Amino acid sequence: SQQGEEDPQALSIQEGENATMNCSYKTSINNLQWYRQNSGRGLVHLILIRSNEREKHSGRLRVTLDTSKKSSSLLITASRAADTASYFCATVVSGRSGGSYIPTFGRGTSLIVHP
Amino acid sequence: ETGVTQTPRHLVMGMTNKKSLKCEQHLGHNAMYWYKQSAKKPLELMFVYSLEERVENNSVPSRFSPECPNSSHLFLHLHTLQPEDSALYLCASSLRDGDYGYTFGSGTRLTVV
Repeated sequence: SQQGEEDPQALSIQEGENATMNCSYKTSINNLQWYRQNSGRGLVHLILIRSNEREKHSGRLRVTLDTSKKSSSLLITASRAADTASYFCATVVSGRSGGSYIPTFGRGTSLIVHP
Repeated sequence: ETGVTQTPRHLVMGMTNKKSLKCEQHLGHNAMYWYKQSAKKPLELMFVYSLEERVENNSVPSRFSPECPNSSHLFLHLHTLQPEDSALYLCASSLRDGDYGYTFGSGTRLTVV
């Protein structure tokens, strides 16, 4: 069954503003990851946060994880037109009998940053 | 380039054709994945190969057949596809425990006519 669900589905902001995207999930996870996808291309890994972590930073990105609420947020500060893309969260759970770790993606948030 | 190479980038095929998608990585990863991405839908995991284990999504039709001859190469064999199979097919690789993220290829845009 689908794990991560991003919210909002679409977000339109002006350059310089902050963009916040949320991800909710249903079951316990091993870690949660955020990805970016430019139109028609592959996904690019942005940041990974483990289930025992609450916050991580990478450049202009800030990710939080609240395991009690089963939710995560991605904040992009001081957005740029080049940040225009779709953003996906992926929840990773361990497979049965300690097997493969399976990432499950949501539908994504489409972010448009106007110059 | 991400280190995961998919070929071809674009493919148009008739419903009676047989074709194969190829994915290659030389990142030292030991797990490889096929995903299907259709408009307005979540990425759909199709198959996982991890060491000698294969995991498959039971909802994937048998007209899709994966092959993983070694840890660096992954194929998706296609036969008698339907128009609704038109989508972006993405390959990804990772270390088995997924603890360092997944590296995606640029995808193959498949159109079934």
